[in-house]
Amino acid sequence: GAGVSQSPRYKVTKRGQDVALRCDPISGHVSLYWYRQALGQGPEFLTYFNYEAQQDKSGLPNDRFSAERPEGSISTLTIQRTEQRDSAMYRCASSLMTSGSSYEQYFGPGTRLTVT
Amino acid sequence: AQTVTQSQPEMSVQEAETVTLSCTYDTSESDYYLFWYKQPPSRQMILVIRQEAYKQQNATENRFSVNFQKAAKSFSLKISDSQLGDAAMYFCAYRYSGGYQKVTFGTGTKLQVIP
Repeated sequence: GAGVSQSPRYKVTKRGQDVALRCDPISGHVSLYWYRQALGQGPEFLTYFNYEAQQDKSGLPNDRFSAERPEGSISTLTIQRTEQRDSAMYRCASSLMTSGSSYEQYFGPGTRLTVT
Repeated sequence: AQTVTQSQPEMSVQEAETVTLSCTYDTSESDYYLFWYKQPPSRQMILVIRQEAYKQQNATENRFSVNFQKAAKSFSLKISDSQLGDAAMYFCAYRYSGGYQKVTFGTGTKLQVIP
């Protein structure tokens, strides 16, 4: 079956512009996560959705970052007034359930964002 | 807060030999999961192996096995009969078993396989 997809795969934008990154999780997956991965580092948690509810946004670095998942499926991560330090790989993951067992997170291919 | 530490930024191994990647973590929880993820040059995140903290038996997946030492909070990955395709970044990761499933990753170890 189809995995997690993200678009665009690559995005180059100029400083000060807004960008929207899209994540399409595996069909039926309840939980959706956004991570950011700087070059040479491991992914860092940004935010988490359970269905359409944003349960945790403690990892969002500042108020220029926001995310939504209005219908409990596709999610959009928006960065306003981008800065060069926002350049990174933005990765989405989804899992079948919220808690318990070992419901694995399936990662998407990521969107590589470059802010010039 | 949970932390995951990988103290080896880079490792190398001869093809067909065995290599061990180290990982330590810190948590106050008793029930959790530990993972090793592989990230090849394509930058996909591929789950290699998973360990449940309540299980004493070390997980094994073909040529990949772990040495899980719960008291020492250590979780190393052993790759046997290394292949050229094993060359990648390897990330150790932790997830608490309760609540939602935020994963905490280490900084990674870059593995080079020498032909």
